[in-house]
Amino acid sequence: DIQLTQSPSTVSASVGDRVTITCRASQSIGYWLAWYQQKSGKAPKLLIYKASSLESGVPSRFSGSGSGTEFTLTISSLQPDDFATYHCQQYNRYSGITFGGGTKVEIK
Amino acid sequence: QVQLQESGPGLVKPSETLSLTCTVSGYYINSAYSWAWVRQPPGEGLEWLGLIYHNGITNYNPSHRGRATISSDTSNNQFSLRLTSVTAADTAVYYCARLSSWSFDYWGQGTLVSVSS
Repeated sequence: DIQLTQSPSTVSASVGDRVTITCRASQSIGYWLAWYQQKSGKAPKLLIYKASSLESGVPSRFSGSGSGTEFTLTISSLQPDDFATYHCQQYNRYSGITFGGGTKVEIK
Repeated sequence: QVQLQESGPGLVKPSETLSLTCTVSGYYINSAYSWAWVRQPPGEGLEWLGLIYHNGITNYNPSHRGRATISSDTSNNQFSLRLTSVTAADTAVYYCARLSSWSFDYWGQGTLVSVSS
């Protein structure tokens, strides 16, 4: 199984801050990594797919980068609507799909 | 506009079978893409359970292979999950979702299933 480790588990930030979340894979997954935003009681929302492709309708302050085993999600200027939990997710043809443990972005 | 909606019992007894259905509108499930089930125990992270390709082939999380079965009913544009021999550990919000470029681009609203006697 491929494990995904997200860090930090919680980040405290203010509106306007630059926020970076890291997702590390236990083995190389190429660029098959996605990022989701989830608010309490709601389904996750796709932000980034194939490591760096911005999903249609997602604000450009969200960006993704990385390949292989290390990936990052960056929010360039945190907005009030961005306080939520963020999940990474990978696909591997042999072991299937796994998610990271999540990173909660909270108000500082 | 693609929409997915989960339906099924909200309470299942231990050792029994959990059955959920996802009704898809706005896209024919046998046209393309894969259709999946993901769950989230209260206060925990997301877990992929399995998927069914548009051609009916299935793939499961190895942790649940043998207990989980996903099937489709193309005449009603639905796909379903059966999870046998449930325990309290299977209590979760269950989501159905569409898989595109190996990421989930459309999700249902989720349905809470509790396992309790």
